[in-house]
Amino acid sequence: EPEVTQTPSHQVTQMGQEVILRCVPISNHLYFYWYRQILGQKVEFLVSFYNNEISEKSEIFDDQFSVERPDGSNFTLKIRSTKLEDSAMYFCASSEGQGDVLTFGAGSRLTVL
Amino acid sequence: SQKIEQNSEALNIQEGKTATLTCNYTNYSPAYLQWYRQDPGRGPVFLLLIRENEKEKRKERLKVTFDTTLKQSLFHITASQPADSATYLCARAGTGGFKTIFGAGTRLFVKA
Repeated sequence: EPEVTQTPSHQVTQMGQEVILRCVPISNHLYFYWYRQILGQKVEFLVSFYNNEISEKSEIFDDQFSVERPDGSNFTLKIRSTKLEDSAMYFCASSEGQGDVLTFGAGSRLTVL
Repeated sequence: SQKIEQNSEALNIQEGKTATLTCNYTNYSPAYLQWYRQDPGRGPVFLLLIRENEKEKRKERLKVTFDTTLKQSLFHITASQPADSATYLCARAGTGGFKTIFGAGTRLFVKA
């Protein structure tokens, strides 16, 4: 069964450092997403991406965040200058069409020290 | 504001019983609702989608209902098993259709 793959599974970084989280969505999916889940809290929407541009972003997705689809398979989330409060699990997801069900990756746990 | 709410308290039931989880929404009329399962440290996994014109949807031991009058969806697991222990998330499409908004989830514990 097709799956969304994410790397790394766990990253530890120092406050102020840049982090790039990588995702390979399902190959025939056209919509890509990043979500965040702080420990013990709900799954929060960060950004959606379609046709090589951001289609929607939340208020969490400020100037320190950026997304990119550098080639035909990868979808990345960059956090420019990490803060302690960025520590969370980051999930990538993809869907075939707009509003379709989401297929999530296993997540990348980010720990900012 | 448009809200989607789930009972944040954990639900504890005995193996073999039916678990019923609730999802309520306010200030919004979703065209459909989705239910996902999330295990600790893992990403959500899609289970069922129910549209506003459907009263009920079933998949094996799972059943979802959608009551637009009560603004509520119920998620049932019949003949529950310890392996059903997880957090169950209700979700709706955001306005504009480019995002899915999740409720806080209900943690289910099934005791053997």
